[in-house]
Amino acid sequence: NAGVTQTPKFQVLKTGQSMTLQCAQDMNHEYMSWYRQDPGMGLRLIHYSVGAGITDQGEVPNGYNVSRSTTEDFPLRLLSAAPSQTSVYFCASSHGEGDYGYTFGSGTRLTVV
Amino acid sequence: AQRVTQPEKLLSVFKGAPVELKCNYSYSGSPELFWYVQYSRQRLQLLLRHISRESIKGFTADLNKGETSFHLKKPFAQEEDSAMYYCALSGRGGSTLGRLYFGRGTQLTVWP
Repeated sequence: NAGVTQTPKFQVLKTGQSMTLQCAQDMNHEYMSWYRQDPGMGLRLIHYSVGAGITDQGEVPNGYNVSRSTTEDFPLRLLSAAPSQTSVYFCASSHGEGDYGYTFGSGTRLTVV
Repeated sequence: AQRVTQPEKLLSVFKGAPVELKCNYSYSGSPELFWYVQYSRQRLQLLLRHISRESIKGFTADLNKGETSFHLKKPFAQEEDSAMYYCALSGRGGSTLGRLYFGRGTQLTVWP
């Protein structure tokens, strides 16, 4: 039982490049989310999903796309990287509505130069 | 609108002293509240959830609906408690379904 697995752990991109951050969970969780963590800003929700085939925007969705074709996977795509997207990205999953709380991945530290 | 406020960005106490990390929320309904902890450069871990009324690592948190608060307390702080603490709120259905709202976090430092 690996929990929530994020890859890669570190990434450096040039402005304008695109890439996909991977997130997979093996707990059969319905809910999955992507957050970015910036100093002094806490965690801000980028996109989230309440089940396979269902996604929605969070607080800061611009510049990012997601899809949820399976329950297990929830990749985050950066379409054209910008320095403002330099951040630590966390993926999280939960059983669903209720008091279960979310399980977080170990994060991806992204630098855009 | 849903909002979680942690008024203290930084909090320092000495080992053995009591500690209280404040959290206030706004939500038009009955929220589910959580405390998460993040040790240096690690993933966030669930520390407490209000509905279970448990004590983890000596920490407790009580939901006060009148004051819309969910403060985290520990009677005797330890050096290993030094970490970033986040208060979070999960709504029940509607536009809040599937969303977890975080405060900006409080960095706790416990001095020896």
